[in-house]
Amino acid sequence: AQSVTQLGSHVSVSEGALVLLRCNYSSSVPPYLFWYVQYPNQGLQLLLKYTSAATLVKGINGFEAEFKKSETSFHLTKPSAHMSDAAEYFCAVSTETSGSRLTFGEGTQLTVNP
Amino acid sequence: KAGVTQTPRYLIKTRGQQVTLSCSPISGHRSVSWYQQTPGQGLQFLFEYFSETQRNKGNFPGRFSGRQFSNSRSEMNVSTLELGDSALYLCASRVAGGPNEQFFGPGTRLTVL
Repeated sequence: AQSVTQLGSHVSVSEGALVLLRCNYSSSVPPYLFWYVQYPNQGLQLLLKYTSAATLVKGINGFEAEFKKSETSFHLTKPSAHMSDAAEYFCAVSTETSGSRLTFGEGTQLTVNP
Repeated sequence: KAGVTQTPRYLIKTRGQQVTLSCSPISGHRSVSWYQQTPGQGLQFLFEYFSETQRNKGNFPGRFSGRQFSNSRSEMNVSTLELGDSALYLCASRVAGGPNEQFFGPGTRLTVL
């Protein structure tokens, strides 16, 4: 079975500051890892995914994440926050055997202050 | 290409009733999954359908069921509604096989009174 832990249910940054959202996973087999963003009253939008290729993954809107197997982490970063980044972010894991079944973390609400 | 569509967007039901939600996947996507999102439990996997067959099921009671049609459209049904079934129900589709990402619809907000 897989699991995901997101450290910090709420993160607040100033506009222009570094965004760091933490995600740790647990999986007994090689994982596929995803970051999704959810804006109010909307579904989930994929930011980026790790599928065993390059460990540093670049996504949309300037976000990137680094897969660190030794730390079982997949933290999401963005060098400079924008007001439009304010949303809820979810880290998720699946495996070859779990197919479409995504296991999500609890989510992190990002607030960007002017 | 049109995205995943879900109907209706909002529903209000009373306890004991049943409800059917609909999902139309992205054209060419044959895998459809359903998730329940609540403030208390977060995002939880309900089930996945591929080629009209349920391929995977989450840990939900039998009151939750689904089906998929030959055009890949999917429906989920919840019978004997309980207050705790109030949630955002999200549908996602993907090209089956491998680590292909899932594309989510906007969801159906179900309120049970």
